[in-house]
Amino acid sequence: GESVGLHLPTLSVQEGDNSIINCAYSNSASDYFIWYKQESGKGPQFIIDIRSNMDKRQGQRVTVLLNKTVKHLSLQIAATQPGDSAVYFCAENRGTNAGGTSYGKLTFGQGTILTVHP
Amino acid sequence: NAGVTQTPKFRVLKTGQSMTLLCAQDMNHEYMYWYRQDPGMGLRLIHYSVGEGTTAKGEVPDGYNVSRLKKQNFLLGLESAAPSQTSVYFCASSIQGLNTEAFFGQGTRLTVV
Repeated sequence: GESVGLHLPTLSVQEGDNSIINCAYSNSASDYFIWYKQESGKGPQFIIDIRSNMDKRQGQRVTVLLNKTVKHLSLQIAATQPGDSAVYFCAENRGTNAGGTSYGKLTFGQGTILTVHP
Repeated sequence: NAGVTQTPKFRVLKTGQSMTLLCAQDMNHEYMYWYRQDPGMGLRLIHYSVGEGTTAKGEVPDGYNVSRLKKQNFLLGLESAAPSQTSVYFCASSIQGLNTEAFFGQGTRLTVV
């Protein structure tokens, strides 16, 4: 079935390094993507989003890249800090359901565990 | 603003018992969602609501019921709990369903023994 998945389930980096977390999606109809960060014992927290008419979007220390040709999404974190340690999820919004009504249901990937070592 | 608040935060149920999880949001959002999160998996949508008085099934609706009597509240019910429903449950809301971020609550850890 259609799904959103991640290439790397775990990622360990040193403090100050740049981190790249990848995500593959299979539904070419998806038109909106979000990255969430989830710390232990907490709910997912919005990091950054991107619409399908863009291929890059930057936030504070984070950049999301979207490659629609290969259906690939990545999250880049610059100068990674110990506080960035968390599970990162990509999610896709498929927009329109079979009935033609857009309810914006998010489909989440498996998640990548990012560990930042001091 | 409190955002999205879930109660309770933890609960242990015996098989066959029933319970209701409450989600409240103070952001005047139209859309509300219930997800479950199991180890090693992403969040899976149980039910959702596009407005007061409306509900719809998500990806894994069996064994759950929901109600949205008030815009700010979205209740998730388990009529007869099963061990397979042991999970962490997250409620979320969004201002509109399409192309907008969802705000999540802190989660409810439910164990069914």
